[in-house]
Amino acid sequence: NLLLTQPPSVSGSPGATVTLSCTASSGSFAGNSVQWYQQRPGSAPTTVIYEDNQRPSGVPNRFSGSIDSSSNSASLTISGLTTEDESLYYCQSFDGSNSFVVFGGGTKLTVL
Amino acid sequence: QVQLVESGGGVVQPGRSLRLSCAASGFTFSNYGMHWVRQAPGKGLEWVAVISFDDTNEHYADSVKGRFAISRDYSKNTVYLQMNSLRAADTAVYYCVKDVSEYNYIFAFDIWGQGTMVTVSS
Repeated sequence: NLLLTQPPSVSGSPGATVTLSCTASSGSFAGNSVQWYQQRPGSAPTTVIYEDNQRPSGVPNRFSGSIDSSSNSASLTISGLTTEDESLYYCQSFDGSNSFVVFGGGTKLTVL
Repeated sequence: QVQLVESGGGVVQPGRSLRLSCAASGFTFSNYGMHWVRQAPGKGLEWVAVISFDDTNEHYADSVKGRFAISRDYSKNTVYLQMNSLRAADTAVYYCVKDVSEYNYIFAFDIWGQGTMVTVSS
């Protein structure tokens, strides 16, 4: 069964670039897409990346997504960090072997 | 603009029922699969259910199968979640979510509602 592992926390300075990882530590993405969701404290999640690397309208191009099939991992890269980016970020995919939607545990991004 | 607005949450006793509603606007409701995703207090996200764009297919998480039912009303652009035999473990914020894929669902989400809180407690 697919299990998505995210580091609990990541930090960066304003203006810097950070990369958040999401590793399929059991199973693989197996051609299913990866999404990334941002959740600010006390708010609903919003989508920043869908289908591996697509940005919804309104999401700045400072956000980008990628997949590394060789390492069964997905990445969310945020450039030009601002304090507004300080949030919890979840990755998500689909386990076709058992038809389960799988979320990672989330990474808390701190902008120092 | 594209918007999902949930309602119907509240405090309910264990074993009782509750129906959540989600009013959709700003997109062609009849073309998209719709999901419910929940988040227990202080916890991560858990997918609950999906209904296809044409109301021919539904899927549920094992944790709610047989107790919850998802449905949709095209005349009202609304999706519902009927929750029966509620348990304390169902306590969560419930989000209505739109699938990214038109005329299909691929379990990828692009639009989220603001959520509605359900508390199951005696």
